[in-house]
Amino acid sequence: GENVEQHPSTLSVQEGDSAVIKCTYSDSASNYFPWYKQELGKGPQLIIDIRSNVGEKKDQRIAVTLNKTAKHFSLHITETQPEDSAVYFCAASKPGNQFYFGTGTSLTVIP
Amino acid sequence: DGGITQSPKYLFRKEGQNVTLSCEQNLNHDAMYWYRQDPGQGLRLIYYSQIVNDFQKGDIAEGYSVSREKKESFPLTVTSAQKNPTAFYLCASSISTGQTEAFFGQGTRLTVV
Repeated sequence: GENVEQHPSTLSVQEGDSAVIKCTYSDSASNYFPWYKQELGKGPQLIIDIRSNVGEKKDQRIAVTLNKTAKHFSLHITETQPEDSAVYFCAASKPGNQFYFGTGTSLTVIP
Repeated sequence: DGGITQSPKYLFRKEGQNVTLSCEQNLNHDAMYWYRQDPGQGLRLIYYSQIVNDFQKGDIAEGYSVSREKKESFPLTVTSAQKNPTAFYLCASSISTGQTEAFFGQGTRLTVV
């Protein structure tokens, strides 16, 4: 089955700096890669996703890049704000299959 | 409003008792999922269902059971056979498995004493 690894497990940045979270996957058939943000005591919410036919996608301060050859994808958050502090999860999946999640990154933005 | 609802938010049970967690969605999604979340371990899949009256075991199904009699409902029973049931449980749904955004409920925190 698929194996998704996520790094780092914790990340602290100064407000206004950029944050980068990286994930690798093992199954070359995976073609959908969502990123979720989870605030304390709540369920995860999708913040951005990318499909395997696209190399990069951007939504305001958030961007995701995908390297199919190397089987890794990354989340980039620019101009970080205190409200960006949360746990972020990457995931990988393919049609008819479950989502495989990374172990999460706890991001702290220091004012 | 469309969404996915888990109840209750907090649940306390005595050791040895079965307990059922509720999950309802009005998004008309075919696929539904149950995840367990423990500190530092991310989201681990317990069961998922692609369609009514069908479900598959996930990575940690032992000690749990599910049913999918209606499209909108996917209850999870934590049985006495689950050795360490205290955890945060998350239900999710998506239009189809593995290809579209999964919408999560707000979770149920189960504490077994």
